[in-house]
Amino acid sequence: DIHMTQSPSSLSASVGDRVTITCRASQGIDNYLTWFQQKPGKAPKSLIYSASSLQSGVPSKFSGSGSGTDFTLTISSLQPEDFATYYCQQYHSYPFTFGQGTKLEIK
Amino acid sequence: QVQLQESGPGLVKPSETLSLTCTVSGGFINTYYWSWIRQPPGKGLEWIGTIYYNDYNPSLSGSTNYNPSLKSRVTISVDTSKNQFSLKLTSVSVADTALYYCARDSSMQHWGQGTLVTVSS
Repeated sequence: DIHMTQSPSSLSASVGDRVTITCRASQGIDNYLTWFQQKPGKAPKSLIYSASSLQSGVPSKFSGSGSGTDFTLTISSLQPEDFATYYCQQYHSYPFTFGQGTKLEIK
Repeated sequence: QVQLQESGPGLVKPSETLSLTCTVSGGFINTYYWSWIRQPPGKGLEWIGTIYYNDYNPSLSGSTNYNPSLKSRVTISVDTSKNQFSLKLTSVSVADTALYYCARDSSMQHWGQGTLVTVSS
């Protein structure tokens, strides 16, 4: 199985900050990676697919990069609605696996 | 815009079978990959399994892949006449208590709102 490790597990930031979340795969997954945002009581929402493609309707302040084993999600100019938990997921090979999540909290 | 909606019992007794259905609207189910994912309360996401359905590729249509940790208990199937796909999980225990989501595509770009299933006697 491909293990996905996110860092940090939690992050405190202020409105207006720029933050970066990292996801590392235990083996190469090309660009078969999705980033999700999940708010309490809601289903995960796709932000980025194919590592760097912005999902339709998602603001351009979200961006993704990386290929192979190392990936990043960057959120520029944090707004109150961006404080949530973020997950990465690989779909390069079965079983599909998720990172453990990064909780982004207001400082 | 495709929409997915999970449905099924919210309470299942230990050792019984959990059965859920995902109804797809705004698109046809006879193409794409369709997945089930679950999330125990307060925990992370776990992929359960995926079915591939494609009327134009009969040799691969209906092929399934399951999480090895659940494989012996899981079945995912498609009902094209109802534009639905289903999850069956047998011999459930309290550890199977979770929010269950259905999603479309391997990259899971579209999700249902989720349904909470509690396993309790």
